[in-house]
Amino acid sequence: KAGVTQTPRYLIKTRGQQVTLSCSPISGHRSVSWYQQTPGQGLQFLFEYFSETQRNKGNFPGRFSGRQFSNSRSEMNVSTLELGDSALYLCATAEADNEQFFGPGTRLTVL
Amino acid sequence: GQNIDQPTEMTATEGAIVQINCTYQTSGFNGLFWYQQHAGEAPTFLSYNVLDGLEEKGRFSSFLSRSKGYSYLLLKELQMKDSASYLCAVRVWEGKSTFGDGTTLTVKP
Repeated sequence: KAGVTQTPRYLIKTRGQQVTLSCSPISGHRSVSWYQQTPGQGLQFLFEYFSETQRNKGNFPGRFSGRQFSNSRSEMNVSTLELGDSALYLCATAEADNEQFFGPGTRLTVL
Repeated sequence: GQNIDQPTEMTATEGAIVQINCTYQTSGFNGLFWYQQHAGEAPTFLSYNVLDGLEEKGRFSSFLSRSKGYSYLLLKELQMKDSASYLCAVRVWEGKSTFGDGTTLTVKP
């Protein structure tokens, strides 16, 4: 099986812009979770989608949003980018509530 | 809130055994996971405990005590390639996992 893929791998944006990141899960995986990873804050949970529905949401502002399509692919969007949004964004997929498989991440730099 | 504690850094010698502890206080519990993350790479799954006791998987073992809110990851016969960050994560409820900040393990020759 192909692994979890994320695009793009690297992204540079400026403050105020918006960005869309994409995650394609392993075939058969219906759960997609998004995390933000920074050196100071570790892995922070953003949200989780299962069968096109957002089941859970972390403590992030409304500028962070996401969606999941019928083929389980997911996108997350960050609007009005701030310097503090610079981070590695990881998506992790699972068949249901078992172990998660992580994608390689998208490294976002906000200038 | 959710709270997961693990040591920030540990150092061990090649060939030795190391135990990485994790304590948690969460609003729910639906399983505990350990992940390994090498620098610049994504986390990879190591182990899963949902019942009390020890789960063994080759050189890696993980233990869980739900009554104590405690888990540990045991790494035997350490190799240089085991130098990485080890993340403890609790599935709080369906679809939501909370991660600790990770323990950076350095294996020295």
